[in-house]
Amino acid sequence: KNQVEQSPQSLIILEGKNCTLQCNYTVSPFSNLRWYKQDTGRGPVSLTIMTFSENTKSNGRYTATLDADTKQSSLHITASQLSDSASYICVVSVDNQGGKLIFGQGTELSVKP
Amino acid sequence: GAGVSQTPSNKVTEKGKYVELRCDPISGHTALYWYRQSLGQGPEFLIYFQGTGAADDSGLPNDRFFAVRPEGSVSTLKIQRTERGDSAVYLCASSPKGLAGGQFHNEQFFGPGTRLTVL
Repeated sequence: KNQVEQSPQSLIILEGKNCTLQCNYTVSPFSNLRWYKQDTGRGPVSLTIMTFSENTKSNGRYTATLDADTKQSSLHITASQLSDSASYICVVSVDNQGGKLIFGQGTELSVKP
Repeated sequence: GAGVSQTPSNKVTEKGKYVELRCDPISGHTALYWYRQSLGQGPEFLIYFQGTGAADDSGLPNDRFFAVRPEGSVSTLKIQRTERGDSAVYLCASSPKGLAGGQFHNEQFFGPGTRLTVL
């Protein structure tokens, strides 16, 4: 069964600190892995997309890593800001299914002043 | 340019009623997706359109759910005989291409969602 699991479920950090969110997946055939940010009451917004051949990709203060062998990914947030408070969702795209996405349950990040 | 829009933003209905949720994709996007997101969970795939046709409807939970995209642009998700368990946020996304165009061409852009509450 295609699944995406994330940890931790929720996380509270102080402004300016770094944090790392984890994602494990069992999706086959694998196409690509994405990290989305979802603010409360809004639709998800893409942060990074990686194929199996990419180990890391950055988008500003966000850096995603991918280990296709162990089927693990992480999202590292540097120098957190209050506006980083959101749900971060790991999503894996199934190959040859029109971009069908399998979503994790998300990690709820709260950045406190 | 305008993003994906969804109407209404909120819908409250009574158990057993019929509802329609509308999605206006980004102009020119051929692929359109519907998802359902329950509280504290990630979105769950419902159905995918490539143009006017439903290319994959494997995520529709039962025959009370139906979606159309008659002209390959706007899509309507229809729910008959609503049940309390249907309460969720229904998200729509569009992308420039679906199966065609390679991996990076199926970047999906999400709308804000419609929050459906069935009393």
